[in-house]
Amino acid sequence: EAGVTQFPSHSVIEKGQTVTLRCDPISGHDNLYWYRRVMGKEIKFLLHFVKESKQDESGMPNNRFLAERTGGTYSTLKVQPAELEDSGVYFCASSQGPGLAGGPETQYFGPGTRLLVL
Amino acid sequence: AQSVTQLGSHVSVSEGALVLLRCNYSSSVPPYLFWYVQYPNQGLQLLLKYTTGATLVKGINGFEAEFKKSETSFHLTKPSAHMSDAAEYFCAAVKTSYDKVIFGPGTSLSVIP
Repeated sequence: EAGVTQFPSHSVIEKGQTVTLRCDPISGHDNLYWYRRVMGKEIKFLLHFVKESKQDESGMPNNRFLAERTGGTYSTLKVQPAELEDSGVYFCASSQGPGLAGGPETQYFGPGTRLLVL
Repeated sequence: AQSVTQLGSHVSVSEGALVLLRCNYSSSVPPYLFWYVQYPNQGLQLLLKYTTGATLVKGINGFEAEFKKSETSFHLTKPSAHMSDAAEYFCAAVKTSYDKVIFGPGTSLSVIP
């Protein structure tokens, strides 16, 4: 079974440009999450989709970030316009739902997209 | 707000020595707890998780962790370090089943030959 995949693996752009990150979750996983780790800091939650609906977007830093999940399959995260402080690693994770009683569904993480804004 | 702390941003051990990575959580209600590992140039991989039941949890690659409610801790151990264990380790917590993961700051483990 294929894991969570992310594209591109690396992206270098200039300040003010637009970048779109893509995440393909594990097939059949209803839950999709985006996280990011900026240099030297902790991995932070951005948002959570359940199928195509945004369940929680409390971690989105500002309106320059737009996430979509068309048809409840893959998701994109667009940054427009990119700023220097957006540099970091963007992780996507997915989990099944609804889960088994008694505990959380494990979130499976992708390899991340390393974004550098110059 | 719930938080996860990890003592030591960098830990070095000799090959064959005990690995001990510390993790504490801050929550009035014990969350679900996880350890993830990130090998160089790879994504996050689940090592082990604690949900309910037995407080000593065994994971992959010989790692285990013990949940201690009285100490609000979930330390990760491995009896004998291998060179291949060199990686960054993240302790993490989830409050409810589908909630976001709260990560600790990470501990980078170096294994010295």
